Amino acid sequence: GENVEQHPSTLSVQEGDSAVIKCTYSDSASNYFPWYKQELGKRPQLIIDIRSNVGEKKDQRIAVTLNKTAKHFSLHITETQPEDSAVYFCAAGSARQLTFGSGTQLTVLP
Amino acid sequence: DGGITQSPKYLFRKEGQNVTLSCEQNLNHDAMYWYRQDPGQGLRLIYYSQIVNDFQKGDIAEGYSVSREKKESFPLTVTSAQKNPTAFYLCASTPGDRFNEQFFGPGTRLTVL
Repeated sequence: GENVEQHPSTLSVQEGDSAVIKCTYSDSASNYFPWYKQELGKRPQLIIDIRSNVGEKKDQRIAVTLNKTAKHFSLHITETQPEDSAVYFCAAGSARQLTFGSGTQLTVLP
Repeated sequence: DGGITQSPKYLFRKEGQNVTLSCEQNLNHDAMYWYRQDPGQGLRLIYYSQIVNDFQKGDIAEGYSVSREKKESFPLTVTSAQKNPTAFYLCASTPGDRFNEQFFGPGTRLTVL
């Protein structure tokens, strides 16, 4: 089965700086890579996703890159704001079945 | 956000008791999922169902059971065989196409006393 590793487990940045979270996966058949944001006590919500036929995708301050050869993908958040503080999860698989990383607690310091 | 609900929000159970968590969706989604979330860990798949009357075990199915008698409903039973059931349980659904996001319910926090 798929195995997803996510790093770092915690990340603190100053407001306005960039944050990068990295994930690796093991199954070369995986073709869908979403990122979810989960605020404390709330449900995870999709913030961006990428499919295997695309190398990079951007949505305002959020971008995701995918390297299928190396089997890794990354989340980039620019100009971080306090409301970006949350746990971020990567996942890999197909939309029918996903394997999640262990999460990154991002703290944006004012 | 809307369209997938879980109840109750908090649930307390005594050891040795079975308990059923509810998950309902009105999004007309084919596929539904149950995940377990423990502190500092990601989401681990318990069971999933692609169509009515069919479901598959996920990575941590032992001590759990499900049913899918209706498209809208996918209840999860935590049995007394589950050794460490205290956790946050999340239900999700997706249309079932290849590249559609999974929509999550608000979750149920189960505590075993």
